[in-house]
Amino acid sequence: GAGVSQTPSNKVTEKGKYVELRCDPISGHTALYWYRQSLGQGPEFLIYFQGTGAADDSGLPNDRFFAVRPEGSVSTLKIQRTERGDSAVYLCASSLAALRASGANVLTFGAGSRLTVL
Amino acid sequence: DAKTTQPTSMDCAEGRAANLPCNHSTISGNEYVYWYRQIHSQGPQYIIHGLKNNETNEMASLIITEDRKSSTLILPHATLRDTAVYYCIGLIRGNQFYFGTGTSLTVIP
Repeated sequence: GAGVSQTPSNKVTEKGKYVELRCDPISGHTALYWYRQSLGQGPEFLIYFQGTGAADDSGLPNDRFFAVRPEGSVSTLKIQRTERGDSAVYLCASSLAALRASGANVLTFGAGSRLTVL
Repeated sequence: DAKTTQPTSMDCAEGRAANLPCNHSTISGNEYVYWYRQIHSQGPQYIIHGLKNNETNEMASLIITEDRKSSTLILPHATLRDTAVYYCIGLIRGNQFYFGTGTSLTVIP
């Protein structure tokens, strides 16, 4: 597609429920990133994939959060036993190749999925 | 690691140049500096990036100091649609964008 697509755009759920957020990256982009943005804050890194594998999941806050990218394209962020503190905008981004310090790679972001846990 | 610091907020009159500063004193010699902006309820949008030389594109200009410890993003003729949060970004751990809290720019009619 022309851009990064995220669904749903809005999700309201109850505390304790399971949630899945989907990201469809730009075709041909091998690197895919998930970020989380709380109100008034900048985006914070969660996890990134290079192809099908999670190359760095150091930003996942705890084991209730999990992400997959089984075919190296679409990715799903899964949150178990949601808590009110999980409420945030979850942003997905993709790039042609993984970011690296000595190279210039541009991340293209989706519009985000706003999660509200009641 | 290249953590960045920016002023929390700035105002700019419509039609005037907006100059947004950023300090990135911990950046290493071969790390790029990236600028993104985020308009309300949208995902961050790429603006420009640079390494050592000044850069210009259709959106903005980027001036990087010779010691690379700071940079300035310039929007030459700010419009109301440029009201957004502007992030000066470096990489941490070699593969993660560090956003910080950015500068909230308000363009005033």
